[in-house]
Amino acid sequence: GDSVTQMEGPVTLSEEACLTINCTYTATGYPSLFWYVQYPGEGLQLLLKATKADDKGSNKGFEATYRKETTSFHLEKGSVQVSDSAVYFCALSLYNQGGKLIFGQGTELSVKP
Amino acid sequence: DAGVIQSPRHEVTEMGQEVTLRCKPISGHDYLFWYRQTMMRGLELLIYFNNNVPIDDSGMPEDRFSAKMPNASFSTLKIQPSEPRDSAVYFCASSSPPLTEAFFGQGTRLTVV
Repeated sequence: GDSVTQMEGPVTLSEEACLTINCTYTATGYPSLFWYVQYPGEGLQLLLKATKADDKGSNKGFEATYRKETTSFHLEKGSVQVSDSAVYFCALSLYNQGGKLIFGQGTELSVKP
Repeated sequence: DAGVIQSPRHEVTEMGQEVTLRCKPISGHDYLFWYRQTMMRGLELLIYFNNNVPIDDSGMPEDRFSAKMPNASFSTLKIQPSEPRDSAVYFCASSSPPLTEAFFGQGTRLTVV
């Protein structure tokens, strides 16, 4: 079935370090791919998305490129801040399912000053 | 728009009691989703509706769980009777194709003692 696998956490980085959180997917069709972020005590917010192969989603210094050949959508940021500390979820949705999301297990990021 | 609105934000109840969680989707969105988040199982889709009609309830864990959407602006998730293992954060989300992403509420943290 359709699924998302992402790198396990927690990930602890120092401020200004580079971040990569790996995400791979399995899907029968052509999914749209997403990264959602959850700050402590909050709901999930869309961070970025890509709807077709080779698209790059970007927001707040984060980037991810839809790689169909490797079925991946890795999240990257060149210089993290303490305020980036949160849980990050990779997810996919399939056409004709109206935004129904299949999530990875989440990766907790902690950024130290 | 105020976004997806869930109530209550927190609910503490005793085992065996009935619990009702409420959700108001974003106006104009025709898909509504209920998710459950736990440490053990991550984010799970419980049920989703399209135009107030349940499309897929295969994620509903047991007959103790039921969900309704009597109109386009309101949905409920009911647990009767509640059990301690139902303790989790329950999220409601809505979407509107051709947008591919879903928008989440702040969640209801349920504790069953």
